[in-house]
Amino acid sequence: QVQLQESGPGLVRPSGTLSLTCAVSGGSFSSSNWWSWVRQPPGKGLEWIGEIFHSGTTNYNPSLKSPVTISIDKSKNQFSLRLSSVTAADTAVYYCARAPAAGYYFDLWGQGTLVTVSS
Amino acid sequence: ETVMTQSPATLYVSPGDSATLSCRASQNIVSNLAWYQQKPGQAPRLLIYGASTRATGIPARFSGSGSGTQFTLTISSLQSEDFAVYYCQRYNNWPPALTFGGGTKVEIK
Repeated sequence: QVQLQESGPGLVRPSGTLSLTCAVSGGSFSSSNWWSWVRQPPGKGLEWIGEIFHSGTTNYNPSLKSPVTISIDKSKNQFSLRLSSVTAADTAVYYCARAPAAGYYFDLWGQGTLVTVSS
Repeated sequence: ETVMTQSPATLYVSPGDSATLSCRASQNIVSNLAWYQQKPGQAPRLLIYGASTRATGIPARFSGSGSGTQFTLTISSLQSEDFAVYYCQRYNNWPPALTFGGGTKVEIK
């Protein structure tokens, strides 16, 4: 059974770079699935950040203010998120998630990891 | 960008009663709508996709309906584990467009 697990620093300084990794266990990237990052500020709703295919093709939410990069490492069965020039507004629980196709719904989620942007 | 509006923000329901949650899209999204349940401290869980198809393992008391701009999630005979926040999500294969509604919290009356 496929499982997703996020990891990374829980505290990032303002103007710094937020970096997270999602480990995929029990399954392979080589399928039709797309792999996404979704975030949720404390007490607020959900926001899609972007997605990646096993080929490396990416799609990002055009509404995001901070520069975003999502990458994939098939040899390690993981994909990653980099968010640059972060501010307090980027404080959130970050989830990785799986979708059956590009721009689709999410049928599998990681447990989430809280990242706080603060000095 | 398509805006998803959920109502009400909070719904008070007695255990055993039914709950009706609404989601409205600012433009026609056909049936490209999903519903999720989220409990405190947990990740969202997919309930419904394609506006009315239950995800694997979801009980039959959860049902979705609607198309175009108006959608409904109905939970019949609410159980204690159903008290949670529910989100709708618009999706679109190309160009990718994923937006969530603001959520409806279902609380015990």
